[in-house]
Amino acid sequence: AQSVTQLGSHVSVSEGALVLLRCNYSSSVPPYLFWYVQYPNQGLQLLLKYTTGATLVKGIKGFEAEFKKSETSFHLTKPSAHMSDAAEYFCAVSGEAAGNKLTFGGGTRVLVKP
Amino acid sequence: NAGVTQTPKFRVLKTGQSMTLLCAQDMNHEYMYWYRQDPGMGLRLIHYSVGEGTTAKGEVPDGYNVSRLKKQNFLLGLESAAPSQTSVYFCASSYTRLEAFFGQGTRLTVV
Repeated sequence: AQSVTQLGSHVSVSEGALVLLRCNYSSSVPPYLFWYVQYPNQGLQLLLKYTTGATLVKGIKGFEAEFKKSETSFHLTKPSAHMSDAAEYFCAVSGEAAGNKLTFGGGTRVLVKP
Repeated sequence: NAGVTQTPKFRVLKTGQSMTLLCAQDMNHEYMYWYRQDPGMGLRLIHYSVGEGTTAKGEVPDGYNVSRLKKQNFLLGLESAAPSQTSVYFCASSYTRLEAFFGQGTRLTVV
């Protein structure tokens, strides 16, 4: 079965520093890949997605992610953290390789220090 | 544009009681999902549906039932609530197997 692993359940960054959140998936066939963000007491909002084509994907709020097939990874980055980036971030996979189900990683909570 | 609407937003149940959570979407999406979110465990798929009249089990289906009698609605039922079902429940819908749109969640406490 398809699985998604997010390294680090908590990440602390300083305002203005690089944000790097790691995501690895298990599949011999590249799935569709997503990053979602969840602010406190809210639902999930899509940040970006990879389906096919360009492996560097740009999303909303200044985030981007790179699909690396050889590493089965889809890490999320943002060059400069802002206080408003404090939230929980989820990596997810879908597609035929995932049984047409949207499967999530365990999440990474980001704390931004002033 | 309502998107995905979950009802109710909060509920407290006693052990053994039953209830139904309603999810409604107005985007004509084929796929609908029910997840539960627990601290440190991310979102786990309970049941999902790939179209009207269809349902399938997800990762943690025990203790839950679902129905999709109308395309726009996806109901999640708890027949006999247990404290282990205390969680935040999210419904989502999608047009294809691509991005999903989420509701605001239902916070359920079973005492």
